[in-house]
Amino acid sequence: GQNIDQPTEMTATEGAIVQINCTYQTSGFNGLFWYQQHAGEAPTFLSYNVLDGLEEKGRFSSFLSRSKGYSYLLLKELQMKDSASYLCAVRPNSGYSTLTFGKGTMLLVSP
Amino acid sequence: DTGVSQDPRHKITKRGQNVTFRCDPISEHNRLYWYRQTLGQGPEFLTYFQNEAQLEKSRLLSDRFSAERPKGSFSTLEIQRTEQGDSAMYLCASSRTLYGYTFGSGTRLTVV
Repeated sequence: GQNIDQPTEMTATEGAIVQINCTYQTSGFNGLFWYQQHAGEAPTFLSYNVLDGLEEKGRFSSFLSRSKGYSYLLLKELQMKDSASYLCAVRPNSGYSTLTFGKGTMLLVSP
Repeated sequence: DTGVSQDPRHKITKRGQNVTFRCDPISEHNRLYWYRQTLGQGPEFLTYFQNEAQLEKSRLLSDRFSAERPKGSFSTLEIQRTEQGDSAMYLCASSRTLYGYTFGSGTRLTVV
């Protein structure tokens, strides 16, 4: 089976740093993705990790440890517009690119 | 790149009616996916096409659901005899490689 866990909600202050954790147990592993989804909108791609380590992209970084089944998304210099749901997704199979998503973490950034 | 287009954006239907949604992927993307998302949940995979071939279907896709992608271009998702439990956002996504989908804005279905 597939199981992806992330916190339901997090709050943070503008300008701060926040880390959103994701743990997974899946039947296979061929990459982990993070998506951002604003209310009523489509998910948008943030990052992709397939090897262990940290991937940095501007204010956003994503980390993966395959042996621990663990990833995190790090958001720096938070802005009000970062208030959104953050979805962790795993691609279990190498042949296809279908993704298994977690339930998402709703991040609220306050002034 | 005009993005992934979905039509309609919103659909309200009575229980028992049939509905059909359309997805137009990014033109050079040969992979197309349908997902369903309910409030407070992540997207759940429904089905996957590579070109015109439907290569994978979720167990969530009951026999009331059918999807097509004629000629490997746009795709349609039909739900027959809709039930209240079908109320959800139906998301289409496309990709050219194995990495990083582009999602459409979705069709929000409400079954009353």
